[in-house]
Amino acid sequence: GAGVSQSPSNKVTEKGKDVELRCDPISGHTALYWYRQSLGQGLEFLIYFQGNSAPDKSGLPSDRFSAERTGGSVSTLTIQRTQQEDSAVYLCASSGGRPETQYFGPGTRLTVL
Amino acid sequence: GDSVTQMEGPVTLSEEAFLTINCTYTATGYPSLFWYVQYPGEGLQLLLKATKADDKGSNKGFEATYRKETTSFHLEKGSVQVSDSAVYFCALQGGSEKLVFGKGTKLTVNP
Repeated sequence: GAGVSQSPSNKVTEKGKDVELRCDPISGHTALYWYRQSLGQGLEFLIYFQGNSAPDKSGLPSDRFSAERTGGSVSTLTIQRTQQEDSAVYLCASSGGRPETQYFGPGTRLTVL
Repeated sequence: GDSVTQMEGPVTLSEEAFLTINCTYTATGYPSLFWYVQYPGEGLQLLLKATKADDKGSNKGFEATYRKETTSFHLEKGSVQVSDSAVYFCALQGGSEKLVFGKGTKLTVNP
């Protein structure tokens, strides 16, 4: 079946603008994760959704970052007032539950000018 | 907190050489351990995993054994190919659901 999809694949924005990144998980997967991959920090966890439970937001780097998951499926990661240090590849993953494998999407490359 | 340390490389080998990429971890409890691979221009893919001590994960000729006594999960392959050129990430899933990754090791295999 279809894998995890993310859009857009590339996003270039100006400093101070807001951006929204979208993730469509594998159908039926209850868990959804956002990670960030950057040269300086490697792969970092951002946020985790499991079903209808409150999300684990412990990895969000600042209050400019937020995410929501509608109807237990599609998720949107929003970054407000973007900064140059937000430039990175944002990865989404989904799984059918612990300790199941997390399947990753192709990522969104964000460049903040 | 939980952490993963892996050799950062880069590692350059000739085709058919033996590969070892070291990975050690720090975690409370009994984490699950993973190796993910990122081929050039592609997304992260699971290579292999092990969920309890002494388990051996294997795939595509790669192997790694979960060693609780040494808190290690070293990746090995007996004979690498050019097509194995990629970045390899060791990761753990501990008490929380998130994956904690090492910094990644870039492998280049020359013909």
